[in-house]
Amino acid sequence: EVQLVDSGGGLVQPGGSLRLSCAASGFIISNYWMTWVRQAPGKGLEWVASINPSGSEKLCVDSLKGRFSISRDNAKNSLYLEMNSLRAEDTALYYCVTGRFSHGYWGQGTLVTVSS
Amino acid sequence: EIVMTQSPATLSVSPGERVTLSCRASQIVSSKLAWYQQKPGQVPRLLIHEISTRATGIPARFSGSGSGTEFTLTISSLQSEDFAVYYCQQANDWPLTFGGGTKVEIK
Repeated sequence: EVQLVDSGGGLVQPGGSLRLSCAASGFIISNYWMTWVRQAPGKGLEWVASINPSGSEKLCVDSLKGRFSISRDNAKNSLYLEMNSLRAEDTALYYCVTGRFSHGYWGQGTLVTVSS
Repeated sequence: EIVMTQSPATLSVSPGERVTLSCRASQIVSSKLAWYQQKPGQVPRLLIHEISTRATGIPARFSGSGSGTEFTLTISSLQSEDFAVYYCQQANDWPLTFGGGTKVEIK
């Protein structure tokens, strides 16, 4: 059974940092593009970043470039999102999802709350 | 950036009715158009990819159509479990973008 388990969220002060993790099981992530999508409370879905199977190609929404960074460890079957200089507007549920063009599997999400 | 506009924002429907949701892209998105369903408190679920291909396990009452910049998700006969928010998403170009969603609620 395919499973994505998101972790690493929490309450952080503005300007702080967090590293989100996504542990995959039931499939080998090295065969797939992987993506982070976020959803602010009561809002819609927003693409954050994607990474190709080898990790050599990384894309991130322009508004987050320089603060957020996606990475992967195929040996650990895991995906990561490094988030720095966090702002209140980064408060959201962050989902790890499979795929580049469409996202068939989703993690349960990890909540990031940026507040003083 | 390709802007995805969904209409209407909210749709009030009775069970058994046929439902048509619209999604318009600001530029041509070729075939890379997907639809997702999200129920309250749940993770989004992929319904349709490549404009019209149902994802695994999705009932046949869900269908997708369209081309270029105009796309439609149709639910042939709305079931009680279909009341949810529906999002379209384009993956023709970076950044990937989602529509704002259409909420299908009970009339």
